[in-house]
Amino acid sequence: EPEVTQTPSHQVTQMGQEVILRCVPISNHLYFYWYRQILGQKVEFLVSFYNNEISEKSEIFDDQFSVERPDGSNFTLKIRSTKLEDSAMYFCANRSRTSGGVYNEQFFGPGTRLTVL
Amino acid sequence: QKEVEQNSGPLSVPEGAIASLNCTYSDRGSQSFFWYRQYSGKSPELIMSIYSNGDKEDGRFTAQLNKASQYVSLLIRDSQPSDSATYLCAVRSGAGSYQLTFGKGTKLSVIP
Repeated sequence: EPEVTQTPSHQVTQMGQEVILRCVPISNHLYFYWYRQILGQKVEFLVSFYNNEISEKSEIFDDQFSVERPDGSNFTLKIRSTKLEDSAMYFCANRSRTSGGVYNEQFFGPGTRLTVL
Repeated sequence: QKEVEQNSGPLSVPEGAIASLNCTYSDRGSQSFFWYRQYSGKSPELIMSIYSNGDKEDGRFTAQLNKASQYVSLLIRDSQPSDSATYLCAVRSGAGSYQLTFGKGTKLSVIP
């Protein structure tokens, strides 16, 4: 069964540095999402992406964040000038669409644990 | 502000018993409802989705939805120690939005 994959599994960075988190979506799943989960807290929506455009974003997704699909397959989340409070698990999720309608179900990747020191 | 509320638990049930997990949501226009299972340090794993009022069964899992009461639940029959995890309720509000709003989750412990 195809799965969403994410790299790296763990990223340690210094405050103020830039990080890029990568996601390889399930083939033919055209809708992409990023969520984050701070330790002990809720999973929170960051951004959704379809057809090379952001379709929705949350208040968390400010100018510090950006997303792109640089090569038509990978899907990246860039965090510029990381802060201590950016430490969290970052999950990529995929949603499929079929000709019969739109599927709502989102499938999550294994996540990247980001630690900002 | 859309809210999804769950009892954080822990909920402890003996092996073989029925575990009942509950979730309420604030946005009356919500259209899609999901239960995810999350093991410690792992990502959410989708186990059930439900879109209309009533019950939906899949193996040992039954999801129940009552839109009038803004309430969704998950029953796990014949609970196994491997079911011990945190169960996350997630809601899609609809109206063109596909973002999910999650509850904090209920931690389930199945005692052998």
